[in-house]
Amino acid sequence: GENVEQHPSTLSVQEGDSAVIKCTYSDSASNYFPWYKQELGKRPQLIIDIRSNVGEKKDQRIAVTLNKTAKHFSLHITETQPEDSAVYFCALFLGNQFYFGTGTSLTVIP
Amino acid sequence: DTAVSQTPKYLVTQMGNDKSIKCEQNLGHDTMYWYKQDSKKFLKIMFSYNNKELIINETVPNRFSPKSPDKAHLNLHINSLELGDSAVYFCASSQAEGAYGNTIYFGEGSWLTVV
Repeated sequence: GENVEQHPSTLSVQEGDSAVIKCTYSDSASNYFPWYKQELGKRPQLIIDIRSNVGEKKDQRIAVTLNKTAKHFSLHITETQPEDSAVYFCALFLGNQFYFGTGTSLTVIP
Repeated sequence: DTAVSQTPKYLVTQMGNDKSIKCEQNLGHDTMYWYKQDSKKFLKIMFSYNNKELIINETVPNRFSPKSPDKAHLNLHINSLELGDSAVYFCASSQAEGAYGNTIYFGEGSWLTVV
């Protein structure tokens, strides 16, 4: 199966600063890259996704970039707020299943 | 009108017992999954069904047996529970993919504690 590496595993930022989480993969056939946010005690929920035919997508304070040549994609959160504190998972779709990264625990310090 | 619902949400049981977790989705999706999330938060695929047919069966002890009576339901039965089975189990669903995979939606999770 595919191996999705996600970094960093933990990230602390001051409120208002930006946060960046990066994921790398190996199979160039991957074509769909969603990001999930999991708050404490809750289910993972989709926050943004990108398909392989675009390089960047933005939704308010959240953006995702995809570099298919280098096989990595990143989540960017600007103007972070305390409610952004959660575990974030990258994922990709390959073959007939989703592969998830190992998660990044983001803490936004007020 | 929860999209993916699973029951029970919390389950505390003794070692050696047999338990089941039920899952239902009302999104009309063709594919359903069971994921296990351990204390380190890793999301590990266990099983995947497409239109009631098993398509993914990762290395999972055969004490775990999924059953899909129809494409809207995927239940998980666990025999002879062990301490290491303690985790959160997430049911999920997605629509059959075309050129691209489609969004996967998770249930609220079932917190299983084996004592």
